[in-house]
Amino acid sequence: AQKITQTQPGMFVQEKEAVTLDCTYDTSDPSYGLFWYKQPSSGEMIFLIYQGSYDQQNATEGRYSLNFQKARKSANLVISASQLGDSAMYFCAMWEPSGTYKYIFGTGTRLKVLA
Amino acid sequence: GAVVSQHPSWVICKSGTSVKIECRSLDFQATTMFWYRQFPKQSLMLMATSNEGSKATYEQGVEKDKFLINHASLTLSTLTVTSAHPEDSSFYICSGLAGEVRTDTQYFGPGTRLTVL
Repeated sequence: AQKITQTQPGMFVQEKEAVTLDCTYDTSDPSYGLFWYKQPSSGEMIFLIYQGSYDQQNATEGRYSLNFQKARKSANLVISASQLGDSAMYFCAMWEPSGTYKYIFGTGTRLKVLA
Repeated sequence: GAVVSQHPSWVICKSGTSVKIECRSLDFQATTMFWYRQFPKQSLMLMATSNEGSKATYEQGVEKDKFLINHASLTLSTLTVTSAHPEDSSFYICSGLAGEVRTDTQYFGPGTRLTVL
């Protein structure tokens, strides 16, 4: 069965520094995609970045980038130049295999940016 | 990115009443919408998947008669919590999908916090 693992329940980072949030996954599908979402205390889920399994390059979106290591089945989110507003919960997600058509979410990582 | 709205953002109701939550895709047509429930400090739990014009598909353990979902148009889905009880108090969040399941991105609404007294 597919699953997503986020092993860091909480992380601290100093403002302006970079931080890596870990996400490992397990799937037997050759074609898949991985998503990262940010959930601030207000509750909304904000889409950050997507990585497809066949993408040749690691995805980047502004200060967000994915360290995608397919052989290790990891898709770690890197946030560069952390800001106070980055303090939030971060979830890694992927689609389940055919037949169920739903996201699997990791348990999330709570990031706190320190001034 | 695509925008999804939810209304109301929070609601307090008495036990036994029904509450309707609206989920709208504002700048895209959502062929599929999802309804989630989230307890404090936990991840999102999928309740049901709805496709425009057809009956919703509920996850195991979710009572379809209690959580009524209507996806009447490509931009609107509603979740009605019938005869709400305190244990239904939770954060409900919807998402919309413009394209294909398994490839495209779900865009989430801001969520609705339901408190049942």
